[in-house]
Amino acid sequence: DTGVSQDPRHKITKRGQNVTFRCDPISEHNRLYWYRQTLGQGPEFLTYFQNEAQLEKSRLLSDRFSAERPKGSFSTLEIQRTEQGDSAMYLCASSSLAGRYIQYFGAGTRLSVL
Amino acid sequence: GESVGLHLPTLSVQEGDNSIINCAYSNSASDYFIWYKQESGKGPQFIIDIRSNMDKRQGQRVTVLLNKTVKHLSLQIAATQPGDSAVYFCAEYDPTGGGNKLTFGTGTQLKVEL
Repeated sequence: DTGVSQDPRHKITKRGQNVTFRCDPISEHNRLYWYRQTLGQGPEFLTYFQNEAQLEKSRLLSDRFSAERPKGSFSTLEIQRTEQGDSAMYLCASSSLAGRYIQYFGAGTRLSVL
Repeated sequence: GESVGLHLPTLSVQEGDNSIINCAYSNSASDYFIWYKQESGKGPQFIIDIRSNMDKRQGQRVTVLLNKTVKHLSLQIAATQPGDSAVYFCAEYDPTGGGNKLTFGTGTQLKVEL
């Protein structure tokens, strides 16, 4: 399978714990995006990378959130001191630079904060 | 709260009928519009896109219509099948002002009745 893959698919954690999610984009794509989706809503943009550079961050991305893409390939999204309001689906997408408006999404990581 | 978000607009159609899903957008600077299909527990799947200088584009069993005058987008699915049951989102891409994210509209739940 050469699509976008995310790990884990599901994560249950207790409030206050730190969690980290991983995304592996389509191999030839140099743009990688993180979105958050809550039940019944469309995905909301969090941040994006072009190669290893993080070029844009949404105001939704509080200082408890950090994302990295150290070698321009896979990316991680870490949430520190999780809160119940962080419960959501975290989606990763990737695109080529030329076709950047067509973003291909992974299956997401479902986070439940108890 | 969460219960409000669950009340997605729903379109119910009989198998074999044509479906029309509508979307309103607000950003005149958006350059591309994309339709995504999201099945339960999965990430959004690209269906078809249209550039702002076009008013119609056809794919396999799907047609997207764009009316820039009234900022309206529609997705037509011919001969709807049970496998088409999903939530459909329109998304817009605005390349101006450094933005590189997709902005998603409110989804529409398509239910195909046998």
